[in-house]
Amino acid sequence: GIQVEQSPPDLILQEGANSTLRCNFSDSVNNLQWFHQNPWGQLINLFYIPSGTKQNGRLSATTVATERYSLLYISSSQTTDSGVYFCAVWVGGYQKVTFGTGTKLQVIP
Amino acid sequence: DAGVTQSPTHLIKTRGQQVTLRCSPKSGHDTVSWYQQALGQGPQFIFQYYEEEERQRGNFPDRFSGHQFPNYSSELNVNALLLGDSALYLCASSPTGRLAGGVWGLYEQYFGPGTRLTVT
Repeated sequence: GIQVEQSPPDLILQEGANSTLRCNFSDSVNNLQWFHQNPWGQLINLFYIPSGTKQNGRLSATTVATERYSLLYISSSQTTDSGVYFCAVWVGGYQKVTFGTGTKLQVIP
Repeated sequence: DAGVTQSPTHLIKTRGQQVTLRCSPKSGHDTVSWYQQALGQGPQFIFQYYEEEERQRGNFPDRFSGHQFPNYSSELNVNALLLGDSALYLCASSPTGRLAGGVWGLYEQYFGPGTRLTVT
């Protein structure tokens, strides 16, 4: 099956700093999502981004499907950005979804 | 729109017992997927239902079974519970359609709040 690796595994930022999270996948996919999991376990949709670039406020994401990676950018980080960030990929059709290994982010005041 | 809902929120069961978890999808979504998330791990895909049939299954034993109803809601059943089944169980719903490249598949997934199962 597809392997999905995220880096870095852990990240500590000072409030206001910027960061880049990476998601590498081992095979061609045509669907990719980024999620933020809050301390209560809720997975919050950030981006559905099979390819290209999207922006939503302080967050943006880029997927380069041909090179098998996606990047999530967080600018001017806030303490509420703390939590675990996951990417998830799947191939078209009724294929099982594979989550990445996650990046645990802590933003300190 | 209520979004994806799951019940119950928390559940404590004894080893060997059986459990049923429930999921109602977001309005307009026809596919439901179930995931198991152990502490400190990412979600692991259990199975996926579309048109009341299991369409895809992850690496989980037959003790894990499911059902989808005509209104697209779904149940996850786990028999003969083991201590290792303790986890957060997540349900996701998504619409389906024709993707780029012409293949039929899932669009964006939306997750419910989860059911935290503890097996003692």
